Amino acid sequence: DQQVKQNSPSLSVQEGRISILNCDYTNSMFDYFLWYKKYPAEGPTFLISISSIKDKNEDGRFTVFLNKSAKHLSLHIVPSQPGDSAVYFCAARSRGGSNYKLTFGKGTLLTVNP
Amino acid sequence: KAGVTQTPRYLIKTRGQQVTLSCSPISGHRSVSWYQQTPGQGLQFLFEYFSETQRNKGNFPGRFSGRQFSNSRSEMNVSTLELGDSALYLCASSFTENTEAFFGQGTRLTVV
Repeated sequence: DQQVKQNSPSLSVQEGRISILNCDYTNSMFDYFLWYKKYPAEGPTFLISISSIKDKNEDGRFTVFLNKSAKHLSLHIVPSQPGDSAVYFCAARSRGGSNYKLTFGKGTLLTVNP
Repeated sequence: KAGVTQTPRYLIKTRGQQVTLSCSPISGHRSVSWYQQTPGQGLQFLFEYFSETQRNKGNFPGRFSGRQFSNSRSEMNVSTLELGDSALYLCASSFTENTEAFFGQGTRLTVV
C-alpha cells in the first residue's frame, strides 16, 4: 500500500514558466513533509520542507503548499530553469517518538525546456 | 561542513557473496538511515540507527543488516546476495526528528 503518491511520472514545462509538482498521502500520522531533487547516479538533495502546523513554506523560487484536509501537497517552482530538470521526490515522516523513517513517493521527472 | 560520505561508490559482486557498505554522517548528526533505490520501487526504507541502536526497520529480509559505531558512522551488510539486490543504496543523516535528512551520493551495487 503506497502511502505517498506522486501520480504524475513526468512533467514538461517551458523555461520561465511555473512548475507544479503534486503529492498525495494517505497516512494521517504524517506531520512533516519534504521535497528532494535527484539527478541520476547521485543522492537526493534536500529542497524544502513543511510541518503540518503550516500550510505554506517558501524558499526562493521554491514554495511548498500543504492541504491537510485533502492530504495533498504541492511544490511550485517559479520561474523554472533548465537546471531544475531532475526527478523530484515527495517524502513524509510520521509524528511521535523517534521515528526517523521517511516514506517516499516514486518521483516525478521534471523537464524544463529552454 | 562535509556532507554525508558513502563508500565505495560502485561495487560489483557475485550472487551468494556478501557486501558491506559504509556511511559517514554529517558531523554532529547522530541519526543514520539507509534506503534502497530501484527503478520499479523507488526509495525504500531499510533501517535507522541512533546512538548505536537500531530504532526503525523496513520490510527487508534478515539478509540485510546494519550497525552504527560510537562516532555515528554506520555500515550496512547484505549477505547471500541475490540478483534483485542490485540497486543504489543511499545513506541519510539527520540531527533531530524534526529536521531534514541529508543524503550521500549512494553506493551503486551490481550483483551478477
